[in-house]
Amino acid sequence: AAGVIQSPRHLIKEKRETATLKCYPIPRHDTVYWYQQGPGQDPQFLISFYEKMQSDKGSIPDRFSAQQFSDYHSELNMSSLELGDSALYFCASSLDVGSSYNEQFFGPGTRLTVL
Amino acid sequence: ILNVEQSPQSLHVQEGDSTNFTCSFPSSNFYALHWYRWETAKSPEALFVMTLNGDEKKKGRISATLNTKEGYSYLYIKGSQPEDSATYLCASRNAGNMLTFGGGTRLMVKP
Repeated sequence: AAGVIQSPRHLIKEKRETATLKCYPIPRHDTVYWYQQGPGQDPQFLISFYEKMQSDKGSIPDRFSAQQFSDYHSELNMSSLELGDSALYFCASSLDVGSSYNEQFFGPGTRLTVL
Repeated sequence: ILNVEQSPQSLHVQEGDSTNFTCSFPSSNFYALHWYRWETAKSPEALFVMTLNGDEKKKGRISATLNTKEGYSYLYIKGSQPEDSATYLCASRNAGNMLTFGGGTRLMVKP
């Protein structure tokens, strides 16, 4: 079965550079979520989109922006990168059927290293 | 409880042992409780979603229970196998679908 695809899997950037992470949800899933997991930390919710509109916002820095496109894929844009942005970035997708049993399916993550 | 907490942080068991670990979560604004199994370099694998007090779910040798009144969930593994070695994450979900994760329990099963 198709899973959530994230690209790239690994990314190395310098401080103050810009990075773009991509997420391709499971086919027919209409909701995308982004999570950040720093070294030794719990995954933290960043932002989510439903039907191309932002639906929830968590602890996402102002330097980051994200959007969901018409084909439901999502991109997380990160500018003025800082050392503290080094983390594993997970994307998850779900099909919003209005049920409390909505399951979020996770991609393998993009590991961003800022030097 | 303000955050999602999991215990123990890590656990070493022998093959064939049964084991269990705990997830504690705030019972206010609770909507659902998710369990994931996560092997390094792979995607977290969804195990269970539970919403109702007293819910019990089972998948093979793995089962989970939920107590929403006191804010905890247990995950049980019967007859642990080396392939069960992974980090088990629980996450509490609010009505907006945002997951708040615990720190995970790292399980290592020795042959």
